Amino acid sequence: EAGVAQSPRYKIIEKRQSVAFWCNPISGHATLYWYQQILGQGPKLLIQFQNNGVVDDSQLPKDRFSAERLKGVDSTLKIQPAKLEDSAVYLCASSLYRTSGNEQFFGPGTRLTVL
Amino acid sequence: DAKTTQPTSMDCAEGRAANLPCNHSTISGNEYVYWYRQIHSQGPQYIIHGLKNNETNEMASLIITEDRKSSTLILPHATLRDTAVYYCIAMNPFNQGGKLIFGQGTELSVKP
Repeated sequence: EAGVAQSPRYKIIEKRQSVAFWCNPISGHATLYWYQQILGQGPKLLIQFQNNGVVDDSQLPKDRFSAERLKGVDSTLKIQPAKLEDSAVYLCASSLYRTSGNEQFFGPGTRLTVL
Repeated sequence: DAKTTQPTSMDCAEGRAANLPCNHSTISGNEYVYWYRQIHSQGPQYIIHGLKNNETNEMASLIITEDRKSSTLILPHATLRDTAVYYCIAMNPFNQGGKLIFGQGTELSVKP
């Protein structure tokens, strides 16, 4: 089975520019997550979708970050304008809700460098 | 979600068992113990999870104490490819689809 796909894998931008990341979850997975992982730290959840509705976006800096999941499949995470502290790896994950628990499957991530 | 405590780093000899401890003394009755690992430059990978019984799969075994305040992940025959950061997370997967809160994890180095 194909895994979670993300693109691009790497992105370098200057501060105040905008950037977008794309995620294609595993087919049939209703839940999609975006995480931010700063160097040396564990991943931090930014936003969680159930189908195309937002379940949790409490950690999303909404003044500059936005995310959407059209048609309940692919998702896009955008940063506008970027700050130096946004330099991190952005991970997308998906899960299939099951009665025994729902392990999350992660993509390879997009490494963002803001100069 | 309950907080977990793990050692910052551990070493293990190749071919030997790696035993990674985790404390979760404030875990609630509906929270499971999940283990994920993250190999350098990759996304986290699910390993195993359990509620109160010991669990085993093709990757590892999970031993949970009777009082559920701590657990141990066992990699029975560690290889160099098991070098990674291992995260122990207590989470109710049925609460809005589950929310993983990652701590610092344990950096496991498997040495030849």
